[in-house]
Amino acid sequence: DADVTQTPRNRITKTGKRIMLECSQTKGHDRMYWYRQDPGLGLRLIYYSFDVKDINKGEISDGYSVSRQAQAKFSLSLESAIPNQTALYFCATSDFKTATSYNEQFFGPGTRLTVL
Amino acid sequence: SQELEQSPQSLIVQEGKNLTINCTSSKTLYGLYWYKQKYGEGLIFLMMLQKGGEEKSHEKITAKLDEKKQQSSLHITASQPSHAGIYLCGAGRYSGGGADGLTFGKGTHLIIQP
Repeated sequence: DADVTQTPRNRITKTGKRIMLECSQTKGHDRMYWYRQDPGLGLRLIYYSFDVKDINKGEISDGYSVSRQAQAKFSLSLESAIPNQTALYFCATSDFKTATSYNEQFFGPGTRLTVL
Repeated sequence: SQELEQSPQSLIVQEGKNLTINCTSSKTLYGLYWYKQKYGEGLIFLMMLQKGGEEKSHEKITAKLDEKKQQSSLHITASQPSHAGIYLCGAGRYSGGGADGLTFGKGTHLIIQP
C-alpha cells in the first residue's frame, strides 16, 4: 500500500463549488504539506502543518483552507472554486528530527483538479 | 525566500548519451533536494545534498552541490528510457532543511530517444 494517498485522484467541478481534497499517510510523520503544480510554474506551497495544532500559510494560500484532522490526515479545501485553481495538487509528508535537520519530503500521487 | 532556476528547460538526448541538468539558486544554498516526476504523477526522491562540495550517486545519476556558485548539477551517465521524465530541484524556503516547505525550480523535461 502507498504511504501517502490522495483522494480523489481526478476531479472536475464547476466555478463556485466547494471542494475538498484529502491526504492520508501511514508513515507516522508529523509534518504535512500541500503544493500545487502548474505548467511553467513548478510546484508552489499552499499550506503546511507541523502537527495537529500548528498550521501555516505557504506562498499561495489565498482561496484555500486546510484542516489537520489527525496526525495522519491533512485536507485541503477550496471554498468557492475558480478556473485558475485548475492544477495538479500534491500532498507531502516529512519526518521531524530537529528544527534544522534535512528531511526528504514524500509525495502523494497527486490530484488533478479541473474547475470549469 | 529562494528562487531556483533550472537549465535547460527541456532536453532531448539519444539513448546511451550522458547529460547534465543544472539548478542555480538566487541565494546561498545550504541544501538541495533532487526529485524526478513521471508526467502527471507524483515526485520520487532522488537524493539530498547538504554540504558544499558534496557529491552523491545513485545508480547512474550523480549530483553535486557547489555552494560558492549557488548551484547544483545532476549528471546522468549512459541514459536509458527509464530516465525520461521531469527533474525538479528543491530547496528549503527559509531553512536549509525545508521544514517550512520547499521552493522548487520549474523542472527540466528529459526525453530519451532510442
